[in-house]
Amino acid sequence: AQTVTQSQPEMSVQEAETVTLSCTYDTSESNYYLFWYKQPPSRQMILVIRQEAYKQQNATENRFSVNFQKAAKSFSLKISDSQLGDTAMYFCAFMKNTGNQFYFGTGTSLTVIP
Amino acid sequence: DSGVTQTPKHLITATGQRVTLRCSPRSGDLSVYWYQQSLDQGLQFLIQYYNGEERAKGNILERFSAQQFPDLHSELNLSSLELGDSALYFCASSVGAGASYNEQFFGPGTRLTVL
Repeated sequence: AQTVTQSQPEMSVQEAETVTLSCTYDTSESNYYLFWYKQPPSRQMILVIRQEAYKQQNATENRFSVNFQKAAKSFSLKISDSQLGDTAMYFCAFMKNTGNQFYFGTGTSLTVIP
Repeated sequence: DSGVTQTPKHLITATGQRVTLRCSPRSGDLSVYWYQQSLDQGLQFLIQYYNGEERAKGNILERFSAQQFPDLHSELNLSSLELGDSALYFCASSVGAGASYNEQFFGPGTRLTVL
């Protein structure tokens, strides 16, 4: 079975600062995908970034980047130059290589303080 | 806007009742997924349909059932409702069945409240 753990229920960051959200996972699979999703107050699920486990290079999307440590089964999200619009719930998620279902963590509520 | 639509947006009902949630996937997507998000929880996968056939099943209760119709829209039926079924129910769609990665696009969700 796959499990995803987010140990930080709540975090806050000053606007324009950098924040890192943590995620660990457990799996016996060798090929898989990892994701960070953002859920703002509107409740819409928005894909932030995706990482393929076979790629050693960490994924980046503008101000969002990940630190993927496969051996440690760790997948953290770094948000640079935090903006007020980044205030949201952030979910880490896992999907097997033959992907058809997500395994989500319980989320980290991020507040960006002006 | 992801292109996935869900109706209704909100639903309030009583314990013991039955409700139907509806999802229309993005144009061209053949797979539909259902997820349940209870308070302060991540999303839990319920079930997947691909082109009308059940493809994968997760933690779906026996009181819950789903189907995908020939026009590819899907319905999630929840019966004998309990207080604990109150949650946000998401539908997502993707092009493929899951043999390889296909991005899932999420709808806006249906908020179910059981009183």
